Amino acid sequence: NAGVTQTPKFQVLKTGQSMTLQCAQDMNHNSMYWYRQDPGMGLRLIYYSASEGTTDKGEVPNGYNVSRLNKREFSLRLESAAPSQTSVYFCASSSYGYTFGSGTRLTVV
Amino acid sequence: GEDVEQSLFLSVREGDSSVINCTYTDSSSTYLYWYKQEPGAGLQLLTYIFSNMDMKQDQRLTVLLNKKDKHLSLRIADTQTGDSAIYFCAERPSSYKLIFGSGTRLLVRP
Repeated sequence: NAGVTQTPKFQVLKTGQSMTLQCAQDMNHNSMYWYRQDPGMGLRLIYYSASEGTTDKGEVPNGYNVSRLNKREFSLRLESAAPSQTSVYFCASSSYGYTFGSGTRLTVV
Repeated sequence: GEDVEQSLFLSVREGDSSVINCTYTDSSSTYLYWYKQEPGAGLQLLTYIFSNMDMKQDQRLTVLLNKKDKHLSLRIADTQTGDSAIYFCAERPSSYKLIFGSGTRLLVRP
């Protein structure tokens, strides 16, 4: 099925560890996004990529880096994970509407 | 600034209509959206409305937009237990920005 695919679905990290969340879309969308979802706070934008080769900070970029590898793929990296980064992470791509992946539930202990 | 507000919780009886309300702040938003999130899943686009429209109907869903008051509502007719989920309102003040409310949890009682 066409859509946005995120891996992994679940991850537990120790404080200070690093990891990369992967995202790929097959809808030929130019724009891609990373959001985090915390209880009672809706979704907040971490980084976005308006097109291949460009990335920009969103609302909460501290502690994260991103790479737009090609038009299909947009990865999110945590260099040194902190407990405050425990959250559910969603990747999305857009044309008129946004299509979301099913999320990565990350716990930092 | 940009802000979207929704009530946190709504409980209705199966078969009744549900109305979920939302207020937003950025009058430049071209599109306004409703998303549905079921437990453990991502966000599913339910419907969207252009800012030059007052109403949009799609099967059981009716979206009303009052641009003067910056008020958006989603009405679900004949609400079913499968409609139980969290519903997010979102405004799009620019091409690359989508601002979400904190979500309304809809509980449908049998």
